[in-house]
Amino acid sequence: DGGITQSPKYLFRKEGQNVTLSCEQNLNHDAMYWYRQDPGQGLRLIYYSQIVNDFQKGDIAEGYSVSREKKESFPLTVTSAQKNPTAFYLCASSIGRDRKFVGNTIYFGEGSWLTVV
Amino acid sequence: KQEVTQIPAALSVPEGENLVLNCSFTDSAIYNLQWFRQDPGKGLTSLLLIQSSQREQTSGRLNASLDKSSGRSTLYIAASQPGDSATYLCAAVTSGTYKYIFGTGTRLKVLA
Repeated sequence: DGGITQSPKYLFRKEGQNVTLSCEQNLNHDAMYWYRQDPGQGLRLIYYSQIVNDFQKGDIAEGYSVSREKKESFPLTVTSAQKNPTAFYLCASSIGRDRKFVGNTIYFGEGSWLTVV
Repeated sequence: KQEVTQIPAALSVPEGENLVLNCSFTDSAIYNLQWFRQDPGKGLTSLLLIQSSQREQTSGRLNASLDKSSGRSTLYIAASQPGDSATYLCAAVTSGTYKYIFGTGTRLKVLA
């Protein structure tokens, strides 16, 4: 089945440690996104990418890094510089810069829970 | 900068009631406005998408409307059921960007 796979589902980070969240899609989408969701809150955009080897900062990029070496993959690294990383992280993809964009939705993975221990 | 607001933050209704969820956005230059459902601890599922040129979309018991001039969208749920209990989020995509900006959601509970 086509979709977005995030792993791991649960992740624990120690102080001063970098951790990487995986996101893979087989929808042949050009655009991919990372969002952070805090309890009872909406989604805030961390990074997004419209094409391979290119990505842009979202509203809360500090303390995070990404790469887009393959169309299917958009991993997110939570660095030690992110002082409050405990949250639910959601990866998403969409058709991207295409004339059909306005009529196409964004698809989400099942999310990853990150907790600082 | 696009800002999206949803009211109310939480809503509890008896089964069978019709209800309306509200979404407001500050920049009316949008590609589309979308409504999503999120179950606890899960990702988001798309419910309805209204393109900038459209006024409403319907799917089953759901109807979403868009009024760009006032910066508002509403999601109407007819004959609510306990299975409708979830958080509903709206998102706007501003023209010239490909960023989805989300509201904080409305947490709906339908009582049996």
